[in-house]
Amino acid sequence: QVQLVESGGGLVKPGGSLRLSCAASGFTFSDYYMNWIRQAPGKGLEWLSDISSSASAISYAASVKGRFTISRDNAQNSLYLQMTSLRVEDTAMYYCARDSGGYGPRSGAFDIWGQGTMVTVSS
Amino acid sequence: SSELTQDPAVSVALGQTVRITCQGDSLRLYYASWYQQRPGQAPLLVFYGEKNRPSGIPDRFSGSNSGNTASLTITGAQAEDEADYYCNSRDNSGDHLVFGGGTKLTVL
Repeated sequence: QVQLVESGGGLVKPGGSLRLSCAASGFTFSDYYMNWIRQAPGKGLEWLSDISSSASAISYAASVKGRFTISRDNAQNSLYLQMTSLRVEDTAMYYCARDSGGYGPRSGAFDIWGQGTMVTVSS
Repeated sequence: SSELTQDPAVSVALGQTVRITCQGDSLRLYYASWYQQRPGQAPLLVFYGEKNRPSGIPDRFSGSNSGNTASLTITGAQAEDEADYYCNSRDNSGDHLVFGGGTKLTVL
C-alpha cells in the first residue's frame, strides 16, 4: 500500500546533527513533491521544507534555513533531512508528507503522511 | 506567529453543523488545505482546493473560500470528528508553505 516511513530520530545534544530518512512505497516516488513538517510537543504543525520531484526546486522555512538540508534519492525512493546546529527548540515529531499534486505539483495538499520520528534535543 | 489565523477552540453539539475558519492574506491568491489530527496520530487530509475531498473522507466535510478566509464545514458532526484541525496554504510571499495554528474541535 501507499506509505511513508520515517526513521533516524533520537536524542541529540544542542549543536549536534542528525539525519532523518523517509522511505516511500506503493507509489511512483519520483512523480511527487515531498515535504518535511514537524510538531513540537503539544504544539501545532510547522512546515519546514519541500523538494520538487527532480530535486531542482527546494524551499525552506526561515526557522531552519541554513541549518537543515532536504534531499531525495529517487532511485532509492527515499527522502532525507540533514539537520545540523540543532537547538532545544528543534525538539519535535518530524513527519514527511507527499504533496498530492491535486491542482499543481506544489499544491500544498499533503495526502500521504508518515507516522513520524521523534527528535529530542537536550543536554 | 502564523500568517494563517485559526480560532484556538470551537465546540459543536453532536449532529449539528460547525464551521472552522482560516484567515490570511495569501488566501486571496491560494487555496487552503485542511487536516484532521487525532491525538497520537499523523494528520489526515480532509479537504483541499476549491472542492476536493480525498477518497474515504465522509461527505459531511466540505470547504469554501471567500476573500481572505477559507472555511471547513462539518455538517452533522460526529463524536469521532473531535480532533485538532489545521489549515495550510502558501505564505504571503507565495514561496513557502505555512500552517495555521490549529483549532481544537470539541463535540458535545
